Amino acid sequence: GAVVSQHPSWVICKSGTSVKIECRSLDFQATTMFWYRQFPKQSLMLMATSNEGSKATYEQGVEKDKFLINHASLTLSTLTVTSAHPEDSSFYICSARVGQSGNTIYFGEGSWLTVV
Amino acid sequence: LAKTTQPISMDSYEGQEVNITCSHNNIATNDYITWYQQFPSQGPRFIIQGYKTKVTNEVASLFIPADRKSSTLSLPRVSLSDTAVYYCLVGGDNYGGSQGNLIFGKGTKLSVKP
Repeated sequence: GAVVSQHPSWVICKSGTSVKIECRSLDFQATTMFWYRQFPKQSLMLMATSNEGSKATYEQGVEKDKFLINHASLTLSTLTVTSAHPEDSSFYICSARVGQSGNTIYFGEGSWLTVV
Repeated sequence: LAKTTQPISMDSYEGQEVNITCSHNNIATNDYITWYQQFPSQGPRFIIQGYKTKVTNEVASLFIPADRKSSTLSLPRVSLSDTAVYYCLVGGDNYGGSQGNLIFGKGTKLSVKP
């Protein structure tokens, strides 16, 4: 299947700082990528849909000014957690849709964020 | 919104066949059914996808009845390494979070015992 890569796999940052997580589609072009967060022993929660060349669409309750999403190319989307707080500590996962109208989604390996 | 319902957990023994059923009563005409496997601290891994009837690949089979209101993931001869959470996702050609097509349910935690 298609490969989606996230970087970094884990990151520790201080409260009040910002941290960026990258999501890349390695062997295909992804016009649409998705960002999730997952707390321990819980299911994945969709945060936003990232569309190449346009603004991201955020799910209800997700602060768009806090979780900045940029999808500048067909193979890269980034999630920046701004002014991070300890409650932002979580497992963040991205996924990408194959092709413009494909119905198969592939996921990255996930990124652990710990805010201290 | 094609909401999915799965059993919270299942137990099995090595070598057995495991069938996990997912209910999706309001599936739309252009929706596909996709199953994922997730291990702790990893992103979900694609297992299999189907639209109707039966689909088989090297790791699993997917059975979808004619009304498509449910689907069953079949794992033949499971091993300890198949212990994971399994999610079914229902979505169409126009995947979009705001349409609810990529909303994960709680998944099924499969525990395989020796």
